[in-house]
Amino acid sequence: LAKTTQPISMDSYEGQEVNITCSHNNIATNDYITWYQQFPSQGPRFIIQGYKTKVTNEVASLFIPADRKSSTLSLPRVSLSDTAVYYCLVGGSDTGRRALTFGSGTRLQVQP
Amino acid sequence: NAGVMQNPRHLVRRRGQEARLRCSPMKGHSHVYWYRQLPEEGLKFMVYLQKENIIDESGMPKERFSAEFPKEGPSILRIQQVVRGDSAAYFCASQDSGGERFFGPGTRLTVL
Repeated sequence: LAKTTQPISMDSYEGQEVNITCSHNNIATNDYITWYQQFPSQGPRFIIQGYKTKVTNEVASLFIPADRKSSTLSLPRVSLSDTAVYYCLVGGSDTGRRALTFGSGTRLQVQP
Repeated sequence: NAGVMQNPRHLVRRRGQEARLRCSPMKGHSHVYWYRQLPEEGLKFMVYLQKENIIDESGMPKERFSAEFPKEGPSILRIQQVVRGDSAAYFCASQDSGGERFFGPGTRLTVL
């Protein structure tokens, strides 16, 4: 399974755009990149998933360069409620069989 | 469609007792995953099950831990003769064959 590296923590202010970058140098051809969000005392929640280039949904964008050795989660105009831990995971396209492995994640603290 | 349900949400056991954690997957989901999370750490994969089958138990401790997902009823994670080091949050996730993985709220196990 590909190992991921993320910053341990990040700080931001309300209204700013936050970009969290994840390194995954050993990503395999069939691996997708998935980001989860976890609030204290809750289970992780799916944010976004992508394979290459750019993916956007109602809450975030995911940028993946051509070599796919890294990815950047972009949160536009964060609010206090975006304070959470964000996990980057890589896993096979057959996600029904893959034991997705969580790293330590990035703790995002949004200040007023 | 109710989400992934776990019970109990909090469980206190004394050393040497047994702990049984239950997970009811989302309706229609036949894949169940169990994860353990220690304070300030990411989730660690334990076991992946489909109905009546253990597919991947590479993250399960070799002793005292077992899991099942019977044809009828919830998935059960069983910890025998608990020790203080078993204190953690245990999360269950369910998934259909190729879709998004949904996590439950977790069971917080405290071993006295």
